Amino acid sequence: DVKVTQSSRYLVKRTGEKVFLECVQDMDHENMFWYRQDPGLGLRLIYFSYDVKMKEKGDIPEGYSVSREKKERFSLILESASTNQTSMYLCASSLLAGATNEKLFFGSGTQLSVL
Amino acid sequence: SQKIEQNSEALNIQEGKTATLTCNYTNYSPAYLQWYRQDPGRGPVFLLLIRENEKEKRKERLKVTFDTTLKQSLFHITASQPADSATYLCALEGSGYSTLTFGKGTMLLVSP
Repeated sequence: DVKVTQSSRYLVKRTGEKVFLECVQDMDHENMFWYRQDPGLGLRLIYFSYDVKMKEKGDIPEGYSVSREKKERFSLILESASTNQTSMYLCASSLLAGATNEKLFFGSGTQLSVL
Repeated sequence: SQKIEQNSEALNIQEGKTATLTCNYTNYSPAYLQWYRQDPGRGPVFLLLIRENEKEKRKERLKVTFDTTLKQSLFHITASQPADSATYLCALEGSGYSTLTFGKGTMLLVSP
C-alpha cells in the first residue's frame, strides 16, 4: 500500500516565522499535492507538482511556496506565517502525471496553529 | 464558476438502513467522479471512481451512481454500520493538470 508520510501531526508557530511542512511518499508517484482544509471551506488546493523541480499553483497559492528536489519529497513553505494560515494541511500523491482519473493517496495531515 | 455541492447538514441514520449522500455539480463536464471517506483528524481515503459512461458502480456495500444529465452523483451505503460514521467527500477533476476539486463533504452518523 502507498504510504504518504507528513513529518508532523501538530505544529505551533509564531506569526512571522518561516515554516516548513514535509511530505514523503514511498511508491514512486509522479504527482504530489498540498491541500489545506478548513471548517466550512473544505479542501482547497495550494500547490502541486508533476515532476521533480516542477511546481504549479493551485487555487490558493498566496503566502505559500513549495519545493520538490526529489521525486518522493514535496515540501510546503510558509515564508512568513500568519494567523490566517492556521489550518489542517494535507499532502497527497497520485501515480501518473497527466492522467485524468488518478485517485489520490493522502497523508494523515498536519494541524498547524499560528499564534 | 464551477461548483460542487454536498449537503452540509449531517445525515443521521439507524444501523442497518441505507444511507444516501448527494453530490451535485454545476459548470462542469467531468469525465469521472470520485468518492472519499474522511475520519476525524485523518486524511481522506479513496473509495470509488465512476466514469461518465458508467451509470452505476458497486463495491461491497457501496454503490455510486452518476447522472451527467442531472449533474449529480448519489453515494449509497447499504446495511450501514456505526463504523461507517465519517465524512464523505466527492471530487471532480480540477482545473489543473491531474488535480481534483473536492466538495465540502457530508458527515454521516450511524447510530446503533
